[in-house]
Amino acid sequence: EEQLVESGGGLVKPGGSLRLSCAASRFTFSSYGMNWVRQAPGKGLEWVSSISSSSSHIYYADSVKGRFTISRDNAKNSLYLQMNSLRAEDTAVYYCARDEGYSSYWGQGTLVTVSS
Amino acid sequence: DIQMTQSPSSLSASVGDRVTITCRASQGISNSLAWYQQKPGKAPKLLLSAASRLESGVPSRFSGSGSGTDYTLTISSLQPEDSATYYCQQYYSTAQTFGQGTKVEIQ
Repeated sequence: EEQLVESGGGLVKPGGSLRLSCAASRFTFSSYGMNWVRQAPGKGLEWVSSISSSSSHIYYADSVKGRFTISRDNAKNSLYLQMNSLRAEDTAVYYCARDEGYSSYWGQGTLVTVSS
Repeated sequence: DIQMTQSPSSLSASVGDRVTITCRASQGISNSLAWYQQKPGKAPKLLLSAASRLESGVPSRFSGSGSGTDYTLTISSLQPEDSATYYCQQYYSTAQTFGQGTKVEIQ
């Protein structure tokens, strides 16, 4: 079965940076677009960013535009999210998910906490 | 952005009950709608896509319908393992948006 494993979460101070990674396996990573979706503690789901299979199309939510950068390395079957200028409101579990318009498979998530 | 309004925000029902959750989009989304189930501490799980297409392995008691701006998720006979939060999501726009969720509890 398809597998996605996120890593890189942790505690960071406001204004700091963090880079999340998502390792994909058991499917042809280079054939699929990918999403990042986050969930603040006790809250609902929020789409963050999407990247197409060849990185030719990239989209961001307004809440992260200009601060976050999505990227991928198809040779390494990996997806990334570079997060800069982090704010308290970015505190959330971040999920990577395979994009088929909808998110068909999800990782287990990695927790990002932004606090002084 | 397209706004997704889900109702109710929570419900409590008995085993065997028929449960319906609705999702309304702020504009037409041409059946580009997915439903997810999320249990506490777990990642969301895709149940249906294209408004009514049941994903492989999902029990047939789950079904979806709708068109235009209005969509529904129905659980025909609620089971104890269906206790979870359910989210709708539109993918008509590149800026995907989710409903606020419906928490389903078993009485």
